[in-house]
Amino acid sequence: QKEVEQDPGPLSVPEGAIVSLNCTYSNSAFQYFMWYRQYSRKGPELLMYTYSSGNKEDGRFTAQVDKSSKYISLFIRDSQPSDSATYLCAMSEEGAGNMLTFGGGTRLMVKP
Amino acid sequence: DGGITQSPKYLFRKEGQNVTLSCEQNLNHDAMYWYRQDPGQGLRLIYYSQIVNDFQKGDIAEGYSVSREKKESFPLTVTSAQKNPTAFYLCASSIGRAGNYGYTFGSGTRLTVV
Repeated sequence: QKEVEQDPGPLSVPEGAIVSLNCTYSNSAFQYFMWYRQYSRKGPELLMYTYSSGNKEDGRFTAQVDKSSKYISLFIRDSQPSDSATYLCAMSEEGAGNMLTFGGGTRLMVKP
Repeated sequence: DGGITQSPKYLFRKEGQNVTLSCEQNLNHDAMYWYRQDPGQGLRLIYYSQIVNDFQKGDIAEGYSVSREKKESFPLTVTSAQKNPTAFYLCASSIGRAGNYGYTFGSGTRLTVV
């Protein structure tokens, strides 16, 4: 079993839909949680960053962390065709020397 | 602007050839990483370096080599021992030695064996 699990998709939604992307993890020591967006043939870019539990909102994007369930989510409101990309979750433990552990990514397609 | 520059964007390798992928950063980040990404797959760690003149093997280091002679530079050599090198290669860097603040990625190099 992988340390971080993510449904690979593809997830296809109509423009304007609310999108929910999720990751589950097994390491209870993870404290930092991130979402990256990767367009085709490009490098991933950091989209959302959360420490410990709770919600964080940035424009149309909301990141949620539920440490009790070891489950994180990214919600995209009013989805646009430009949101079509692969979304990678990533997380790490506290402390020096701890690297990011990535999920496998979910491919999202938003159709006009 | 600060960032990570990977070059070339596309690279073609003949059988039996060694090729070197360049990665340069001007973010003053301590740690640097190389990942391999295959179609429909996640990121697999090849090598990482947390300080100059030191680097560690990742999950799939066989057939690859790196050096870290300068803080800004972390080139990756794909040797002839790597039997299936066709993939998208990503370089990343991070503040300090931890992933706590996230990684900054380059735009990638697509390597194809011809």
